[in-house]
Amino acid sequence: SYELTQPPSVSVSPGQTASITCSGDKLGDKFASWYQQKPGQSPVQVIYQDVKRPSGVPERFSGSNSGNTATLTISATQAMDEADYYCQAWDSNFWVFGGGTKLTVL
Amino acid sequence: EVQLVESGGGLIQPGGSLRLSCAASGFTVSNNYMSWVRQAPGKGLEWVSVMYSVVETHYADSVKGRFTISRDNSENTLYLQMNNLRAEDTAVYYCARENDGHSFGTWGQGTLVTVSS
Repeated sequence: SYELTQPPSVSVSPGQTASITCSGDKLGDKFASWYQQKPGQSPVQVIYQDVKRPSGVPERFSGSNSGNTATLTISATQAMDEADYYCQAWDSNFWVFGGGTKLTVL
Repeated sequence: EVQLVESGGGLIQPGGSLRLSCAASGFTVSNNYMSWVRQAPGKGLEWVSVMYSVVETHYADSVKGRFTISRDNSENTLYLQMNNLRAEDTAVYYCARENDGHSFGTWGQGTLVTVSS
């Protein structure tokens, strides 16, 4: 079965750039999505089709996907960006999520 | 406004059954690919099932043969029938609408299922 691997945690200082990676076999050949989840809330899509931002998602969120790695980049990180982030891909009628990365802004 | 509202969760004994509902508004369930995704307490997201059409559905291996996804077009509602429940099925269950790129653009608020004696 297909697997996606994320680092368990990433720390960033306010105003700096945070990068969260997601690794999977030939992930660049698939579309990657990213979701933000704050405590007690439902996930929110922040990136789909590798690089697209849904309406309402701040421009500081961006994505890339090549080779075996997809990356979510948050520029000028704010305290409100502190959350769990999950990558996701589709593989032959199965949706796969990464294990999640806790982003700490300190 | 596009909205998904889940209901039907609760405490159930191992081996029991439960049916979850997901009422949609602002769009038509039958015109969209709809999934169930779950999250065990303190854990990550796990895809459970998808309904492409009444004749094409798919399930995660962990629930295949025990869970059944369905919909009622007249009620614009998605369902998840869960049978032979196990402790490891304990989770918040979300319904989600798929958008471009096999991604989930809309999520409900979730409903908690607890399987315990």
